[in-house]
Amino acid sequence: QVQLQESGPGLVKPSATLSLTCTVSGGSISNYYWSWIRQPPGKGLEWIGYIYNSGTTIYNPSLKSRVTISADTSKNQFSLELTSVTATDTAVYYCARDLRQHVQVGLDVWGQGTTVTVSS
Amino acid sequence: DIQMTQSPSSLSASVGDRVTITCRASQGIRNYLVWYQQKPGKVPKLLIYEASTLHSGVPSRFSGSGSGTDFTLTISSLQPEDVATYYCQKYNSAPWTFGQGTKVEIK
Repeated sequence: QVQLQESGPGLVKPSATLSLTCTVSGGSISNYYWSWIRQPPGKGLEWIGYIYNSGTTIYNPSLKSRVTISADTSKNQFSLELTSVTATDTAVYYCARDLRQHVQVGLDVWGQGTTVTVSS
Repeated sequence: DIQMTQSPSSLSASVGDRVTITCRASQGIRNYLVWYQQKPGKVPKLLIYEASTLHSGVPSRFSGSGSGTDFTLTISSLQPEDVATYYCQKYNSAPWTFGQGTKVEIK
């Protein structure tokens, strides 16, 4: 049973860089699409981007200039960096895995989510 | 970018009612559509993928249909445990945009 766990600071200062890690247990990080999604308080879901096979990355154009997703296969982790954060980046951040290997079908395994607040 | 519009934004129905939620894409996305259920305070859960394929373990009262630009999620007989917000998401190409969500409550 694959499980995902997000980790990282819960409080980030404005203009700083938000850094989160998703640790994958119970399965390999290889061959799947791994996504980051966020949800501002009381609002809907926003897809941030994905990484596939540790090399292919695609980002939401609305965040592309500030986002980097990377992977560390030796640690079975993938990470999110979001630069120049503002209060509008305050959200619950989720990592998630696609249902099937090698194709994009839908996100069936999700982490529990981690709340990140941007505030001085 | 393709926009995903759900309707209604919220609905209230009685237990046992048939409930239909619509998701419309601003351009055709074939059947590259997913439905998620998010219960209050919980993580989103995959319900349906490829527009109409029921994910493993999801009750059969849930069904999805549609192709191209118009999609529906139907709950054939609403149950109290179905109180949640439902989101569609397209994945034919990036960005994998979500709809704004439909909140379902019990009358």
